[in-house]
Amino acid sequence: GENVEQHPSTLSVQEGDSAVIKCTYSDSASNYFPWYKQELGKGPQLIIDIRSNVGEKKDQRIAVTLNKTAKHFSLHITETQPEDSAVYFCAASRRGNNRLAFGKGNQVVVIP
Amino acid sequence: DAGITQSPRYKITETGRQVTLMCHQTWSHSYMFWYRQDLGHGLRLIYYSAAADITDKGEVPDGYVVSRSKTENFPLTLESATRSQTSVYFCASTAGENGYTFGSGTRLTVV
Repeated sequence: GENVEQHPSTLSVQEGDSAVIKCTYSDSASNYFPWYKQELGKGPQLIIDIRSNVGEKKDQRIAVTLNKTAKHFSLHITETQPEDSAVYFCAASRRGNNRLAFGKGNQVVVIP
Repeated sequence: DAGITQSPRYKITETGRQVTLMCHQTWSHSYMFWYRQDLGHGLRLIYYSAAADITDKGEVPDGYVVSRSKTENFPLTLESATRSQTSVYFCASTAGENGYTFGSGTRLTVV
């Protein structure tokens, strides 16, 4: 089955700097790649997703890039703010399969 | 209110007792999922359901039972709770090949 790995496990950034989280996946047939943000005491929330026919997608301060050849995708957060501090999960699934394979999560800490 | 709700929010139970965690969604999503979240393990799939009366095991199904008699409800039962089942449990749903919507979670402590 699909195996998704996230790096680094913990990331600390100064407020205003950019943060990048990278995920690798194993199944070349995977075509859907969402990112989730989980704040303390809450459930994961979908923040952005990308499909394999697109190389990059942006939504305000966040963006996701996909490299199908290398089988990795990354979350980019620009101009980080304290409210960006959270655990971020990446996931992947293949067409016709509604089961997402999740990475183990990255703790992002934005230092004011 | 539209959404996905889990109950109870917090639960303390004793070893050996049966406990049921509830999950209800108002979108008529076909797919529903139960995950447990433990430090160092991320989100681990317990059971999932593709439609009413269709359920299947995930990564860590032992000790858990699910049912789905109605599309909107997907209860998770621990038949005889053990301390290793102390965890935060999340329910999620999706209509199809899109991201999941998660509930707020149930924090279960087995003493």
